Amino acid sequence: DTGVSQNPRHKITKRGQNVTFRCDPISEHNRLYWYRQTLGQGPEFLTYFQNEAQLEKSRLLSDRFSAERPKGSFSTLEIQRTEQGDSAMYLCASAGGPPAVETQYFGPGTRLLVL
Amino acid sequence: KQEVTQIPAALSVPEGENLVLNCSFTDSAIYNLQWFRQDPGKGLTSLLLIQSSQREQTSGRLNASLDKSSGRSTLYIAASQPGDSATYLCAVRRVSGTYKYIFGTGTRLKVLA
Repeated sequence: DTGVSQNPRHKITKRGQNVTFRCDPISEHNRLYWYRQTLGQGPEFLTYFQNEAQLEKSRLLSDRFSAERPKGSFSTLEIQRTEQGDSAMYLCASAGGPPAVETQYFGPGTRLLVL
Repeated sequence: KQEVTQIPAALSVPEGENLVLNCSFTDSAIYNLQWFRQDPGKGLTSLLLIQSSQREQTSGRLNASLDKSSGRSTLYIAASQPGDSATYLCAVRRVSGTYKYIFGTGTRLKVLA
């Protein structure tokens, strides 16, 4: 399977714990996005990488959130000191080619539940 | 600030019917607009992308139109099938200065056999 993969698919944690999610994009894609989606809502943009450079971060990405993309390949999203409000689906998408006709390919998501 | 609205929030139709999903956005200075499909508990699948200079795009039974001046896009689905049941989302990207896509809240479609 050469699509976008995300791990873990599900994560249950207690409030105050740290969690880390991983995204493996399509190998030839240089652009990578993280989104958060809560029930009944559309995805909300969190951050964007072009290769290893993090070029944009949403104000939603508080200081408890950090994302990395070392070597421009896989990416990790870490949430420190989780809160119940962090419970959501975290989606990763990758894209390549000209930006004007960019199609984002989404992974299956990581569903986080903070107890 | 760009806001994206989708109406209706939910739609239930009998199989075979043609239907239209609506997307409106407040800032007409967009780079492109995409329509996505999301199945329950899954990620999103891109259906159609319309560049700001285009008026419509077609793929199979799907046709998406864009009217930037009025801040609207429609997704037309012909001869709907039960397999079309899903949530349909539109997303817009501003002209410049951002890579961010702003998503609507989606239309939840159910096609009855």
